[in-house]
Amino acid sequence: SAVISQKPSRDICQRGTSLTIQCQVDSQVTMMFWYRQQPGQSLTLIATANQGSEATYESGFVIDKFPISRPNLTFSTLTVSNMSPEDSSIYLCSVDRGSNEQYFGPGTRLTVT
Amino acid sequence: GDSVTQMEGPVTLSEEAFLTINCTYTATGYPSLFWYVQYPGEGLQLLLKATKADDKGSNKGFEATYRKETTSFHLEKGSVQVSDSAVYFCALSPSNTGNQFYFGTGTSLTVIP
Repeated sequence: SAVISQKPSRDICQRGTSLTIQCQVDSQVTMMFWYRQQPGQSLTLIATANQGSEATYESGFVIDKFPISRPNLTFSTLTVSNMSPEDSSIYLCSVDRGSNEQYFGPGTRLTVT
Repeated sequence: GDSVTQMEGPVTLSEEAFLTINCTYTATGYPSLFWYVQYPGEGLQLLLKATKADDKGSNKGFEATYRKETTSFHLEKGSVQVSDSAVYFCALSPSNTGNQFYFGTGTSLTVIP
């Protein structure tokens, strides 16, 4: 398994502002993933972040809205830009340790007012 | 495309009742199948997995068998406890990508004493 931490655990933000979410893993991993879980919904993959290359975004998600950094093999950030109430969700990072199992962080609960 | 269809909830059971949560999938090739659990206020935890047909994944009294003939991966537990109250997600990882996960919509389980 992997120990994954996220910061902040929750936040309440005003519309039009941006929030950067951090994801820290206890060991080096090649691939990290960012998901969104809207209230009462399942998980939707936002993007895949590999160290040393630009993130790969899924359909419906763009870099200008959700810029991602991956400066090393244990850390990644996701920024939610120019927020609106529709961005209120839980944002989760996950990693694949090479065994085709994804391990998830505890999530960041974002409320946009 | 690849997808997972999961039994809708919510499900309410009395303690010690038998639990079944249905999950069927659509995929090409030979995907890996997973059940994740999300306890209130927490991130997703891997509950069990199966990587090939007829494999049975098991953990904490939960079981699921990979049935290729019926494209199913139903989750079962013989005697649920109050502490099993959570949201359960069925997920699929296609064999040809290695990292992309597809999640079902989740099934909320409440166990009452």
